[in-house]
Order: sequence, then structure tokens, then C-alpha cells
Amino acid sequence: GAGVSQSPSNKVTEKGKDVELRCDPISGHTALYWYRQSLGQGLEFLIYFQGNSAPDKSGLPSDRFSAERTGGSVSTLTIQRTQQEDSAVYLCASSVTPGEKLFFGSGTQLSVL
Amino acid sequence: GESVGLHLPTLSVQEGDNSIINCAYSNSASDYFIWYKQESGKGPQFIIDIRSNMDKRQGQRVTVLLNKTVKHLSLQIAATQPGDSAVYFCAEITDYKLSFGAGTTVTVRA
Repeated sequence: GAGVSQSPSNKVTEKGKDVELRCDPISGHTALYWYRQSLGQGLEFLIYFQGNSAPDKSGLPSDRFSAERTGGSVSTLTIQRTQQEDSAVYLCASSVTPGEKLFFGSGTQLSVL
Repeated sequence: GESVGLHLPTLSVQEGDNSIINCAYSNSASDYFIWYKQESGKGPQFIIDIRSNMDKRQGQRVTVLLNKTVKHLSLQIAATQPGDSAVYFCAEITDYKLSFGAGTTVTVRA
């Protein structure tokens, strides 16, 4: 595809359930980022992958959050035992050069009931 | 912590007029900035970027100005169109981490 693809676009789950969010970056982009955007708020950094280097997980808010990137391409963000405060839009971005010209997907709107 | 903010949360503009959206940043070590546009239900869309060694950069109908002395950015949109209605964010990049605040909502009046 031409852009960053995220799925699902919307996810409604019950408190305590696990969810998986998927990101397919732009082909050839070695850098991949996950961010979280709460209603009316700015962006919160979650995790960053660059090539085969160890990811920067410094933004993950708790050990319920984890992410992996397989084969240097598709990434999955997993939230275990979801809480209501996890409700937000989860955005994925990718870039050719780390920290430059990040292109975002449309996000996954997560609602935890 | 340091953050990027915008001067006004909302801006109403007459169609055809020029728009100016302002942004203040606080991290003097930041050397790269991006303006994004976000429409409802969509992810942020890249508009234009600028490095700290530049004062001005122009794109198609857009101009970004950077004043490092007062740590201020602005985005100028020429001949604003209805399709320009969106939330605009200025993003500050330090290392590879991008941050931006709540944005400015631009509404274009017909």
C-alpha cells in the first residue's frame, strides 16, 4: 500500500480483556513508532523500532503494554488486561530516516468499557 | 517536562484569506520540526518540515517560519480553502521522538 496501514480501525473491548493492534508500515521504512492520542490531547510516545536494533520501550505506560515487530516490517501492539484509561487512539508511524518525516496511519480507536 | 504548545486552540478564517497558525516550543535543543494536519477520524498528515538551520521553508500554499531566538514556529496557509479545515499540530523532534500538544482547530467560513 501507499501509506501506513493500521487495523482494526475501531476496537471495543471489555475491561480486563487483551487486545492486539496491528501496523503495516510503508514499504522500505525501517523506523516504526507507536503513539497514543487521547481525546483533545497531544501525542504520547509509546515505543520505537529501528531496523534490528533493540526497541526503545521507554514510553510504554505499564507492563501490560508490549509490542513486537516481525521481520522488520509489520508491528503488533498488545495491551493485556485492558483498563478504561487505555481508551484512546493508537497511532502508528513510519519513516525512512529515524526521527524525520514521520508518516502516520489512520489509527485504531480503542474503547474499553 | 518540556512540551510543544500552540498559542490559540481555535482559528476561524474566511475562505480565500490567508491563515497563520502559531506554535511555541520550549526545548532549545530541538533541531527539527514538522507541521501536521489532522482531520476527524484520520491520522496526522505530514504538511511540511523545517530544520533549525533554516528560518523559512515554502511548500504548496504553505510556508513555515522558524524563530529560534524566541522559540516560535508559524504555519501560513495561503488562500485558505474549505478542505483546510482541520486540527493543526506543530511537532518537535528530539532524537527520534516526536511530541506535539493539543493543536489548533482551524475552521474555514464560506
